[in-house]
Amino acid sequence: EAQVTQNPRYLITVTGKKLTVTCSQNMNHEYMSWYRQDPGLGLRQIYYSMNVEVTDKGDVPEGYKVSRKEKRNFPLILESPSPNQTSLYFCASSQSGRGADGQYFGPGTRLTVL
Amino acid sequence: QQPVQSPQAVILREGEDAVINCSSSKALYSVHWYRQKHGEAPVFLMILLKGGEQKGHEKISASFNEKKQQSSLYLTASQLSYSGTYFCGTEGAQKLVFGQGTRLTINP
Repeated sequence: EAQVTQNPRYLITVTGKKLTVTCSQNMNHEYMSWYRQDPGLGLRQIYYSMNVEVTDKGDVPEGYKVSRKEKRNFPLILESPSPNQTSLYFCASSQSGRGADGQYFGPGTRLTVL
Repeated sequence: QQPVQSPQAVILREGEDAVINCSSSKALYSVHWYRQKHGEAPVFLMILLKGGEQKGHEKISASFNEKKQQSSLYLTASQLSYSGTYFCGTEGAQKLVFGQGTRLTINP
């Protein structure tokens, strides 16, 4: 089954404790992206990757890091989480990044930073 | 940069029609439409590329006016399953920027 998986689905942590949210897709997609969703603000892009070892900032990259060492995986790293990073996070992938393909979204990770 | 959607919310009775609009201040390569049900991930509905092409999905269709940098999503004879929040996404330099969403409620 074609899918994007994220782990964990729910996470409560404390300020400053490093964490990683994993994302994996099994569709051999070139393009992967991370979004955060906050009430009234819609989906905002954090980082995206056009291919292995190619990443770039989205609209709200501060406080986040990513890496793309393998085509299928695109982990999101919060080196020192803060309460304003409490949000619902989605990973997404598509065949290409030129906007000609729809994006497949993972189930989401709800993060709470105390 | 974020596209503007209107209306922000709409309530319909089953069988009624709705139009959701999306406009951008920037030139667009494409417009995406997604639907998100409560507690779930967004699901891709359709994509419209430059050229004013109109596409359809079930009883949901959309248009893209490249010159006006606007897109509209048309839901005809709405069904209960159409309830959710609809997002447009506008594509520029390899980044997809989403609108704030339109919440659609369909009542029996």
